[in-house]
Amino acid sequence: AQKITQTQPGMFVQEKEAVTLDCTYDTSDQSYGLFWYKQPSSGEMIFLIYQGSYDEQNATEGRYSLNFQKARKSANLVISASQLGDSAMYFCAMRPYTGNQFYFGTGTSLTVIP
Amino acid sequence: DTEVTQTPKHLVMGMTNKKSLKCEQHMGHRAMYWYKQKAKKPPELMFVYSYEKLSINESVPSRFSPECPNSSLLNLHLHALQPEDSALYLCASSQERWGGTDTQYFGPGTRLTVL
Repeated sequence: AQKITQTQPGMFVQEKEAVTLDCTYDTSDQSYGLFWYKQPSSGEMIFLIYQGSYDEQNATEGRYSLNFQKARKSANLVISASQLGDSAMYFCAMRPYTGNQFYFGTGTSLTVIP
Repeated sequence: DTEVTQTPKHLVMGMTNKKSLKCEQHMGHRAMYWYKQKAKKPPELMFVYSYEKLSINESVPSRFSPECPNSSLLNLHLHALQPEDSALYLCASSQERWGGTDTQYFGPGTRLTVL
């Protein structure tokens, strides 16, 4: 069975500071993809970053980076230099090797304080 | 271009109405998805179409009826809904690649209210 765990229901960060959102996953697949999505109050799920299970380098996309620790089965999202517009729900997701289903964590609500 | 469009943006309907939600993508993706999402919860998968064929139906009540007229379009037909069906309905698409490399792109969603 595939499972994604996000243990931080809510997080606060000061503007311009960095923040780490935690994500752990459980899968028996050797090959899988890990994703982070941002969902502002408007509702749209915005794709942020992808990490493949065989990628040796941690993924980075602008201010977003993914701290991938395969042995610990964790895929934490790091947002550097937080901005007010980063306030949103953040979902970690996994796509296993087979099938076309994506599995989502319960989400973390991030609030950036001016 | 990673755009998925959804119409309408908002929908209010009575329990006896029939309405449809529409989703469209022009990225050449072969998999399309419908999700239902309640406030502060993760999206719940409803249906998956792969190469225009229904591949996953997550035990969704028959008052929700999906349709995939072609590889770019996905509809969700609604009939005799209940107030608890009020939610954000998200459409997504992906290339349908194996090996976990498939990235899912979402539309802006339809906020549905059932009175």
